Amino acid sequence: AQSVSQHNHHVILSEAASLELGCNYSYGGTVNLFWYVQYPGQHLQLLLKYFSGDPLVKGIKGFEAEFIKSKFSFNLRKPSVQWSDTAEYFCAVTLGGATNKLIFGTGTLLAVQP
Amino acid sequence: DAGITQSPRYKITETGRQVTLMCHQTWSHSYMFWYRQDLGHGLRLIYYSAAADITDKGEVPDGYVVSRSKTENFPLTLESATRSQTSVYFCASSGTDLSGNTIYFGEGSWLTVV
Repeated sequence: AQSVSQHNHHVILSEAASLELGCNYSYGGTVNLFWYVQYPGQHLQLLLKYFSGDPLVKGIKGFEAEFIKSKFSFNLRKPSVQWSDTAEYFCAVTLGGATNKLIFGTGTLLAVQP
Repeated sequence: DAGITQSPRYKITETGRQVTLMCHQTWSHSYMFWYRQDLGHGLRLIYYSAAADITDKGEVPDGYVVSRSKTENFPLTLESATRSQTSVYFCASSGTDLSGNTIYFGEGSWLTVV
């Protein structure tokens, strides 16, 4: 079965530190890739997405992600985090040409210390 | 722009009672989804619908019923609530934009079964 793995369950960083959150998926075909963010007490918001083209995708709030097909990965990065980035981050996949079902990873809780 | 609205936002119910969570979207999106979010599991798909009168099971459908008589509404019913259904429930919808399909989420419904 298709799955999405986020190996970092809980990350703690100081402000201005660089961030990289791992995401790997298991599916050999075409995929669409997403990162969603959930701030405390709020709903999920789309950070960025990859469908095709340039594998380096830039999203909102200074986030970016790189799709590496050979590694089945879509890691999220930010060069300098802020306290306001404290949130839970979810990687998700839909299968290309399929029914739009998002398959989520279990999430990574990021805490940024001021 | 209303987007997706869920009601109720917070609900406490007793074991064995029937509960319906409402979801309404104003974008005329064809796809709608129900997810539940639980600690350690991320988001798991309960049911989805590709169009009015078309619904299908997701990853964890047991104990839930859905209907889609109108494109804009996708209610989720717990026929006989159990404590294991205590969770946060997110409704989502998806259309097609220039770069593909993106799924947008409602603000969530917090359900406690006592």
